[in-house]
Amino acid sequence: DTGVSQNPRHKITKRGQNVTFRCDPISEHNRLYWYRQTLGQGPEFLTYFQNEAQLEKSRLLSDRFSAERPKGSFSTLEIQRTEQGDSAMYLCASSSSSGQSYEQYFGPGTRLTVT
Amino acid sequence: AQTVTQSQPEMSVQEAETVTLSCTYDTSESDYYLFWYKQPPSRQMILVIRQEAYKQQNATENRFSVNFQKAAKSFSLKISDSQLGDAAMYFCAYSSPQGGSEKLVFGKGTKLTVNP
Repeated sequence: DTGVSQNPRHKITKRGQNVTFRCDPISEHNRLYWYRQTLGQGPEFLTYFQNEAQLEKSRLLSDRFSAERPKGSFSTLEIQRTEQGDSAMYLCASSSSSGQSYEQYFGPGTRLTVT
Repeated sequence: AQTVTQSQPEMSVQEAETVTLSCTYDTSESDYYLFWYKQPPSRQMILVIRQEAYKQQNATENRFSVNFQKAAKSFSLKISDSQLGDAAMYFCAYSSPQGGSEKLVFGKGTKLTVNP
């Protein structure tokens, strides 16, 4: 397994446009997380999936944000009508709920710049 | 809500020497995990070391060890024999199985510089 992958790695968009990011977790991991990291800060939790079910969403996730995980495999995070404040690194992580595996493995992130 | 505080925005160490990064946390839960993650410049975050709250013994991983003081809610990371490759942002993080998601709560990070 090659680990968690994210695409694209970088995205530059104009304010008001929609963007979509993709995360492919480690294949046997049933849990998937999205975090947002702004410059000089630690990552902040956005949302969590167990299999295909979205079980928790942060208050940071405004109505312009939506995430899906069809069939419990890859996940997408869409931001509609982007704002300059959405500029950040978007990180995806996955883990397994079996046994005592609670470690989250992170992808390289998608850096979003809204101009 | 749980919070994680890293009071040292930046630290530096000479190669081959030892450095300790500080972390405190606040929680009312009894069952939780603590982690140190390393984020090198422009590279992805990787787990350095983890500690289960119910374990009294401090975790160690090669040159990395922690000092877990549960009563004081303190979780520091000691890096021995520092190497140039240790230079990175280090994040302390907390998670708890209560609530189901085990989402990570991160501190703001400490930037570690290793001087040759």
